[in-house]
Amino acid sequence: QKEVEQNSGPLSVPEGAIASLNCTYSDRGSQSFFWYRQYSGKSPELIMFIYSNGDKEDGRFTAQLNKASQYVSLLIRDSQPSDSATYLCAVNNNYGQNFVFGPGTRLSVLP
Amino acid sequence: NAGVMQNPRHLVRRRGQEARLRCSPMKGHSHVYWYRQLPEEGLKFMVYLQKENIIDESGMPKERFSAEFPKEGPSILRIQQVVRGDSAAYFCASSPGRTAAGDGYTFGSGTRLTVV
Repeated sequence: QKEVEQNSGPLSVPEGAIASLNCTYSDRGSQSFFWYRQYSGKSPELIMFIYSNGDKEDGRFTAQLNKASQYVSLLIRDSQPSDSATYLCAVNNNYGQNFVFGPGTRLSVLP
Repeated sequence: NAGVMQNPRHLVRRRGQEARLRCSPMKGHSHVYWYRQLPEEGLKFMVYLQKENIIDESGMPKERFSAEFPKEGPSILRIQQVVRGDSAAYFCASSPGRTAAGDGYTFGSGTRLTVV
């Protein structure tokens, strides 16, 4: 059974700090990995994707992937109150068209 | 360029009624995906459709739920004889073809179904 797990949180960090969000997955055949941000009552929006081991940086966001450990993370530098949202990890094995989503981690950035 | 359009945004149904949720994909997109998000839970895949074809319905409940994507018009997710447990946000996404690594999805704004 394919599963994606995340700490539900809430994760609270002070403004300006680094927020670290973690995700583990069970399907070793997974090929691509996505982070979505979802504000309360809104639809998920894609932040980043990664499919190679290592780090990928985009502005204040860094995605980290370790396929051997089946672990993917998202770092948010210089956290802002506007980053307060639920962050969803999603995994795709490239053989199917559907993504498996984790339950999400709620992040709260305190001013 | 209009994004993925879903309507209605909010839908209230009494138990036993039918709910019809509509999704118009982005222009040029012929693949549609439906997901359901129960309160305080993550997104769960329901069904993947191409024009006039259901490709993968492995996430659809066996009874009361059906989906279509006709040659003309939006994709429809139909829930018959709704029950309170159907209350959720239903999101639709679209893609131009087979989703390649890195494409991800663009979701519509969702339909929030409340069964009373």
